[in-house]
Amino acid sequence: QKEVEQNSGPLSVPEGAIASLNCTYSDRGSQSFFWYRQYSGKSPELIMSIYSNGDKEDGRFTAQLNKASQYVSLLIRDSQPSDSATYLCAVSYNFNKFYFGSGTKLNVKP
Amino acid sequence: DADVTQTPRNRITKTGKRIMLECSQTKGHDRMYWYRQDPGLGLRLIYYSFDVKDINKGEISDGYSVSRQAQAKFSLSLESAIPNQTALYFCATSETGRNTGELFFGEGSRLTVL
Repeated sequence: QKEVEQNSGPLSVPEGAIASLNCTYSDRGSQSFFWYRQYSGKSPELIMSIYSNGDKEDGRFTAQLNKASQYVSLLIRDSQPSDSATYLCAVSYNFNKFYFGSGTKLNVKP
Repeated sequence: DADVTQTPRNRITKTGKRIMLECSQTKGHDRMYWYRQDPGLGLRLIYYSFDVKDINKGEISDGYSVSRQAQAKFSLSLESAIPNQTALYFCATSETGRNTGELFFGEGSRLTVL
């Protein structure tokens, strides 16, 4: 059973702060890692993908991967109220199947 | 119009009834997936298909069946619905090759089994 673990939250941060979301996974053979954002009542949408150890930045978002520790994180800089959503971590071994965590709910307070 | 369309969007049914959820896509993707989402459990894969002749079971396929009628259409059936199949169901697509890791989701079908 491939497991992807996330803290369910809610994680509350003030507007302008850095939000840090974390995810651990059980399968050491996992090769690709994704962060999806899901607004309440909506479908998930991809915001970041990362495939190698280290950091990957895209605008206010930074994904961090540490395969040795089986850990992937998402940092959101200058958090905005519009970032309030549930963030889903997804992991794949060979791009055939994607295993999702249960998500972390983020609240950004104005 | 949405690129990945699910019907119905909401359905209430009774235990023992047969239910079909339909998914169609205009993205031209070859891969299609059915997930269910339950509070606290995240998204769990039910079935997936990489082309019309390819059907694969996911993590929780018991009690479900699928049909890939065409590249653009992928249906999920509950032959005899039971209350613990009450959930939000998502269809998703992706394309083989570049950006294979990105899943495009439909708007979801909320199913309630009484």
